[in-house]
Amino acid sequence: SQKIEQNSEALNIQEGKTATLTCNYTNYSPAYLQWYRQDPGRGPVFLLLIRENEKEKRKERLKVTFDTTLKQSLFHITASQPADSATYLCALDLFSGGYNKLIFGAGTRLAVHP
Amino acid sequence: DVKVTQSSRYLVKRTGEKVFLECVQDMDHENMFWYRQDPGLGLRLIYFSYDVKMKEKGDIPEGYSVSREKKERFSLILESASTNQTSMYLCASSTSQGVEGEQYFGPGTRLTVT
Repeated sequence: SQKIEQNSEALNIQEGKTATLTCNYTNYSPAYLQWYRQDPGRGPVFLLLIRENEKEKRKERLKVTFDTTLKQSLFHITASQPADSATYLCALDLFSGGYNKLIFGAGTRLAVHP
Repeated sequence: DVKVTQSSRYLVKRTGEKVFLECVQDMDHENMFWYRQDPGLGLRLIYFSYDVKMKEKGDIPEGYSVSREKKERFSLILESASTNQTSMYLCASSTSQGVEGEQYFGPGTRLTVT
């Protein structure tokens, strides 16, 4: 069966450390993979997109890797801050027939402690 | 900035009522989506639309219908609300220009059906 999994347990880290979140999937062949941030009571906000032929993508303190052999993406936040506390969602971007359809994971809650 | 607005942040309806959720985007996006979000299940796609008057079923369309009479507006209709439709409803939009389909979300409507 098709599945997309993120660590359901909250990730608690100390300010200044690197947070690493994992997204694993089975039986999908995404063209792209996206990461979103969601704060309580709000809609998700797009952060980064990585293509299937890219190994790594960076944006400021964020880094995403995409391993299509392992069927896994890792999302890193370096020098984490309490303001980074939120739920992070990964989404498989299944582009076909000219359309994009996103399949979302359930998200991982990150708490950064001062 | 892309802006996606939803008609209500909170809504309480009774079982059997007809419910309308409205979504408006101001970026001239071709694509619009309706999701519901439940704890532990992530975002699940209900319906989407790639053009005015066009609609496609998502993964969980049962009990819902949609309407897209204008490009900027996408409505979700619950014909006869039931308690299992209590959820957070999120609208999103994206452009068809290019192949990378990052989506822009509204703030969500928390619907309670009693």
